[in-house]
Formats: sequence, structure tokens, C-alpha cells
Amino acid sequence: DVVMTQTPVSLPVSLGGQASISCRSSQSLVHSNGNTYLHWYLQKPGQSPQLLIYRVSNRFSGVPDRFSGSGSGTDFTLKISRVEPEDLGDYYCLQSTHFPDTFGAGTKLELK
Amino acid sequence: EVQLVESGGGLVQPGRSLKLSCAASGFTFSNYYMAWVRQAPKKGLEWVATISTSGSRTYYPDSVKGRFTISRDNAKSSLYLQMNSLKSEDTATYYCASGRDFDYWGQGVMVTVSS
Repeated sequence: DVVMTQTPVSLPVSLGGQASISCRSSQSLVHSNGNTYLHWYLQKPGQSPQLLIYRVSNRFSGVPDRFSGSGSGTDFTLKISRVEPEDLGDYYCLQSTHFPDTFGAGTKLELK
Repeated sequence: EVQLVESGGGLVQPGRSLKLSCAASGFTFSNYYMAWVRQAPKKGLEWVATISTSGSRTYYPDSVKGRFTISRDNAKSSLYLQMNSLKSEDTATYYCASGRDFDYWGQGVMVTVSS
């Protein structure tokens, strides 16, 4: 199984500041079809997860451009610039290149 | 507007069965892989099952393989999860999600396995 190592576990930020979350996979996430199925989700308190970034760097519909994804192979990063109150919550990466699909353990973005 | 609405959760004794449903609307259901994901209380997300567009292919992690069965009815735009031989560690909120990118999620349904 692909292990997704997500860091940090907790990320204190100031409003208006920047945050960066890393996900590293135990093997390459490049599918045989050439796509890389690495996605990022935000789960706000008491809510369902919501897709932010799909396939490494594509912002989902309605996601502000403060969110950006990058990376390749086994090393991926989610950056949030100009953090706003509605950005607080738990962030997860997911790889769906190789079954079983596997999530990172999560990063709690909280106020400093 | 895309909507995924789960139902069928509740309290069940260990060893018993439960069937979850997910009603989809706002998109062409038959064109999308569908999945179930769960989240134990205060824990992270765990993928549970995925089904292909036609239903001919299904995928499970070892933790539920042989006990859970994912299915779909494209005519009814509905997804199902039959859960047998339930264990206490299956206690979680269960979400249905659409596509291989898990782009839309339902509100979740709670399953509690306890005697």
C-alpha cells in the first residue's frame, strides 16, 4: 500500500499569513495513463471534507486562488496564502493512483 | 447543484449487518466512479470502497474486504454499501463521494457498532 506522510500535524498561522503543508508518498503517484492522482481536501469543523485541489495543481470550482498545489512524483505541497478565518480546519491529502486509495493523516490549521 | 445524500446509518450490534444508501443528483451519475469513505470519531479519513461506472469493478481495502459490498443502481442514481459482520472498529461517519478525484461529498451518516 502507498503510505502518505503528511506534515506538519499542527500548523499555527496568523490571519493574513502563509501556510504550507507537505505530503510525501512511499512510491511514485504517476499513473500509467500519465496523470498524477494527488488531491487536497479541507474539512471544516462539523462539516464534510471538500475538494480544494485535484491532480496536484488544479483548483476545484469555487476555490480561491489563495490555494495552490504543486509537486511531482512522490513529493507534493499545498500552499495557502493570505490565510482567512474560513481556511481553518483539517487538511488531508489523498492519493487515488494506486488501490487502495490512501489519505494522509491530516494537518490541523489553527490560529497562532 | 450536485447533491449526495446518505441514509441508513444507526446503532447496530457487533456481528450484525447494515446497508447504507447514497442518493445522487445534479450530475450524470452513471458517468462517475463512486466511493465510500469513513471517519472514526476524532480520527482521520479512511477509504472504504470504490465502484466503476457500470458497477462491474469494485475495490476495497483489506480492512473491509469480504465483509463490505459496494453496489450501484444507475437508473436510480443511487450508491449502496452493504456492511456485514460489523465490528466495533467500523464505528464511524460514512461519506459517499463522487469520481476518482472525490470531488463531491455527502453530509455523512453515522454508524455505531456496539452491544
